[in-house]
Amino acid sequence: DTEVTQTPKHLVMGMTNKKSLKCEQHMGHRAMYWYKQKAKKPPELMFVYSYEKLSINESVPSRFSPECPNSSLLNLHLHALQPEDSALYLCASSLTQGTPGYEQYFGPGTRLTVT
Amino acid sequence: TQLLEQSPQFLSIQEGENLTVYCNSSSVFSSLQWYRQEPGEGPVLLVTVVTGGEVKKLKRLTFQFGDARKDSSLHITAAQPGDTGLYLCAGDHTDKLIFGTGTRLQVFP
Repeated sequence: DTEVTQTPKHLVMGMTNKKSLKCEQHMGHRAMYWYKQKAKKPPELMFVYSYEKLSINESVPSRFSPECPNSSLLNLHLHALQPEDSALYLCASSLTQGTPGYEQYFGPGTRLTVT
Repeated sequence: TQLLEQSPQFLSIQEGENLTVYCNSSSVFSSLQWYRQEPGEGPVLLVTVVTGGEVKKLKRLTFQFGDARKDSSLHITAAQPGDTGLYLCAGDHTDKLIFGTGTRLQVFP
C-alpha cells in the first residue's frame, strides 16, 4: 500500500477563517512533507517533518502552522490567509529523509481557495 | 539555489509518435525521480535512478541518468493519449527534492 490520503479534497475559506488540512499515511514512513503548488508550476516545498520533529521550514509565513501529532499524521493549520495563498496543497511521505534514492509518495492534494 | 531545467516546456503530439524530455542541472544529485501529474491530482512516482549512467525501462518509457548525475532524460515510445500529463523530474539534494520546471505533454488520438 503506497497510499497517502488528504482531507478535505477542496476547501474554500475567507481571510479571517481558521481551517486545517489533514494528511495520513500507513506505510511506516518517518518523513512527511507539505508542498504548495500553483497552477502550471512545480511543487514548492514548505515543511519537512522527520521522526515527528520539524526538520525544514522553507521560510513559510506564520499564517501556515504545521503539526505532526504522530508518525502517521500531518496537519497544516491555516489562519488569516491571503487570496494569493490559493493553491493545491500536497502532502508527501518517504521512508526517511535524506537517504539517497528515498522515494516520496504524494497524496491527491487539497485544492484551497481563499476568498 | 539549485535549478532543474526541463525541456521542452510544452509538447503536443499525435498518438504513436516518440518523444524525449530532458532534465538538466549544474548540480550533482544523489538520485533523481520522475513523476507524472494529472490536473488536480498529486504527482505519481514513475521511477528513481541512482547510479550515473543508469537506464531504467517502464513499458514504453525509458529513463536515463547522466554519467555525472547532473541530468536525466525520459523517452516515450509510441505515445498514447493516456500519457498526457505534467512530467516532473526531481533531484535529491541535501535532504530535500528539488523539482524541475515541468514538461506538459498532450497526446492527441
